[in-house]
Amino acid sequence: GQNIDQPTEMTATEGAIVQINCTYQTSGFNGLFWYQQHAGEAPTFLSYNVLDGLEEKGRFSSFLSRSKGYSYLLLKELQMKDSASYLCAVSDSNYQLIWGAGTKLIIKP
Amino acid sequence: GAVVSQHPSRVICKSGTSVKIECRSLDFQATTMFWYRQFPKQSLMLMATSNEGSKATYEQGVEKDKFLINHASLTLSTLTVTSAHPEDSSFYICSARVGWATETQYFGPGTRLLVL
Repeated sequence: GQNIDQPTEMTATEGAIVQINCTYQTSGFNGLFWYQQHAGEAPTFLSYNVLDGLEEKGRFSSFLSRSKGYSYLLLKELQMKDSASYLCAVSDSNYQLIWGAGTKLIIKP
Repeated sequence: GAVVSQHPSRVICKSGTSVKIECRSLDFQATTMFWYRQFPKQSLMLMATSNEGSKATYEQGVEKDKFLINHASLTLSTLTVTSAHPEDSSFYICSARVGWATETQYFGPGTRLLVL
């Protein structure tokens, strides 16, 4: 079956760095997405990785290793507004998005 | 950027009535639109995928006669929840994809449905 695993909840301190991991087992791979979702709101697109390596976009970076079925989202200089759920999603061989359950990130002052 | 709107943002209705939710891509033509449902503290659940001008493809367990999807144009898709019941209360979110396959999905702001 297809499976996306990510931690349920993480806590970090304002100004610090946090890494949210995502492992996947899917039938085929056509890219991995990270989305941010604030409570009561729809997800917003953060990043897309299809090749191995690190993609940096401001305070957020996303890494992919296809051979390991592994990705992480790295958030630097954490701000209180970064408190949200972070969703990992993989595009499978049929270009269907398989969604993880999301990681709730709690930022403490 | 790609903007997707949804209307209404919030709706309360009586059990047994039908509710229509609109999803529009404002500044691009969406070849494919997706409808998701999300219950509190749970992840997104894909309900159906619709391509303009053709019938929607429903996920297993989603009743196509209860959740009617119409994708009449490249910028508009509608989801109608027919004969709504309290268990249909949820957060309904649409997304739109610009191109085929690997293109990013852009999400609407969601519609919170409460059925009394």
